[in-house]
Amino acid sequence: DIQMTQSPSSLSASVGDRVTITCRASQDIRYSLAWYQQKPGKAPKLLLYAASRLESGVPSRFSGSGSGTDFTLTISSLQPEDFATYSCQHYYKTPLTFGGGTKVEIK
Amino acid sequence: QLQLQESGPGLVKPSETLSLTCTVSGGSISSSSYYWDWIRQPPGKGLEWIGSIYFSGSTYYNPSLKSRLTISVDTSKNQFSLRLNSVTAADTAVYHCARRTREAGSDYWGQGTLVTVSP
Repeated sequence: DIQMTQSPSSLSASVGDRVTITCRASQDIRYSLAWYQQKPGKAPKLLLYAASRLESGVPSRFSGSGSGTDFTLTISSLQPEDFATYSCQHYYKTPLTFGGGTKVEIK
Repeated sequence: QLQLQESGPGLVKPSETLSLTCTVSGGSISSSSYYWDWIRQPPGKGLEWIGSIYFSGSTYYNPSLKSRLTISVDTSKNQFSLRLNSVTAADTAVYHCARRTREAGSDYWGQGTLVTVSP
């Protein structure tokens, strides 16, 4: 199985901050990576796919980069509604696996 | 607008079978463009992919659950289902169904249903 290692597991930030979350795959997954945002009691929401493609309707302050084994999610200017947990997922082959999640909290 | 809705018992006894159904509305489960996933999240923990089914009936299972798992599809009802047998407390989780494209992750999710395994 491909292991997805996400860091940090949590972070504290202020509105307006630039936030970066990283995800590392245990083997080459090319561009087969998605990022999700999840708020308490809600289903995950797809933010980006193919490592860097923004899902329709997602604000442009979210961006993604990387390929192969190393990937990054960046929020350019953190907004109040962005406080949530973010998870990466590879879909290169089955079994699909998720990173452990990064909880973004208010500083 | 596509919608997915999970249904099934919220409480299952240890050693018994967990059964859930996902009803898809606003679109056809028979589209060749999508896979239909089950994903779960134990309380306070991360997401775990359980398995997928294609409209043709082809299935893909998480090896860690494969021996206990059956996923099936009923295209006439626009539904797909999950059966997990011999459950333990470790199977307590919120179970989500989701639609996934081959190249783009899961874009539509059900709200999730909490299933508790307890005597």
